[in-house]
Amino acid sequence: DSGVTQTPKHLITATGQRVTLRCSPRSGDLSVYWYQQSLDQGLQFLIQYYNGEERAKGNILERFSAQQFPDLHSELNLSSLELGDSALYFCASSVLGQAGELFFGEGSRLTVL
Amino acid sequence: KNEVEQSPQNLTAQEGEFITINCSYSVGISALHWLQQHPGGGIVSLFMLSSGKKKHGRLIATINIQEKHSSLHITASHPRDSAVYICAVLTSGTYKYIFGTGTRLKVLA
Repeated sequence: DSGVTQTPKHLITATGQRVTLRCSPRSGDLSVYWYQQSLDQGLQFLIQYYNGEERAKGNILERFSAQQFPDLHSELNLSSLELGDSALYFCASSVLGQAGELFFGEGSRLTVL
Repeated sequence: KNEVEQSPQNLTAQEGEFITINCSYSVGISALHWLQQHPGGGIVSLFMLSSGKKKHGRLIATINIQEKHSSLHITASHPRDSAVYICAVLTSGTYKYIFGTGTRLKVLA
């Protein structure tokens, strides 16, 4: 158990809908990272938050947004969903703002029909 | 050409064999991670390196910053080592992660 909690574990929805994925980092970790893993593109870095502030941005679509709350949990919002958004979405946390050991949640599997 | 290249893509070994997985990158980095992803999908971080060598049990990871290359070695491989091994680099300056496409390892009993 990494100590990182992601909910929901599985989610099935329709195109055009909006979903919210939630991540609770390990106790004491200030950084939260979001990654997308699809069959055709492998793991992609989406975004990092450190202590409530956006720290780094990767290949995150404009239809996606994220935030980190004062209690350090984070949410990834995916809107206007397309079939291609079907993927595993992982959250990871670390103590440091950069170059820290990563602890991964079990992932949220999103299926868009 | 991908900024992070892993080789081989697939590897089948017999139990007990010494295994090497390679990762080459073309960007400046702050750190390099080796990750393990089991068939169930969960990801575990094995190592984070910025220089030199680290060892944990039967696993050894090395990095050569000048050559922009890292290797993950598994000694006395076991069927439970069967997984996908992924190299990830943290780019310097932009602090973005770039992932290799992974090496699928199968260790036969």
